[in-house]
Amino acid sequence: KQEVTQIPAALSVPEGENLVLNCSFTDSAIYNLQWFRQDPGKGLTSLLLIQSSQREQTSGRLNASLDKSSGRSTLYIAASQPGDSATYLCAVRVDTGRRALTFGSGTRLQVQP
Amino acid sequence: NAGVTQTPKFQVLKTGQSMTLQCAQDMNHEYMSWYRQDPGMGLRLIHYSVGAGITDQGEVPNGYNVSRSTTEDFPLRLLSAAPSQTSVYFCASSYQWGSDYEQYFGPGTRLTVT
Repeated sequence: KQEVTQIPAALSVPEGENLVLNCSFTDSAIYNLQWFRQDPGKGLTSLLLIQSSQREQTSGRLNASLDKSSGRSTLYIAASQPGDSATYLCAVRVDTGRRALTFGSGTRLQVQP
Repeated sequence: NAGVTQTPKFQVLKTGQSMTLQCAQDMNHEYMSWYRQDPGMGLRLIHYSVGAGITDQGEVPNGYNVSRSTTEDFPLRLLSAAPSQTSVYFCASSYQWGSDYEQYFGPGTRLTVT
């Protein structure tokens, strides 16, 4: 059974820092990996989708990498801002018949002004 | 586009009551799904649909029913609410269930069962 782990569970950084969020998964036979942002009391907003054949994706100050063989993905946030404060979730798709994403528990990020 | 919409945003039920959580999308997406989010458990799939008239069970389907009569709508029915169903419910959709397609989530319904 696929398991997804995100470390750290919580992170607090001063504004302007570059930071890395980690996501690891136990089954490397994934189709894609998606990073989401969740603000308190809100839904999930898709940030980046990485196909299994890709190594990385970039959107603005965000860069996500994928290493399937080692079962790892990282989300790099450059020049963090207080508006980046949220919970970041990663999810993988493994086509095991049940068509579901498997989510990690998230990293709660606080960017201090 | 409104994207994925869910109603209601909040709901309080008594044990044994039934209700329907509504989900709609205006993106002509074939795949729709329902997740519940609980502290320490992450998001878990309840039911999903790959097109109108086709539904299947997810990881935690007990106590819930779904139907998909149109492409746009995918309601989730709680048959007899229990305190264990207190959770935040998210509806999601994507163009198809394929590797190229992102999942889009609704704003959620926060349900409390007393």
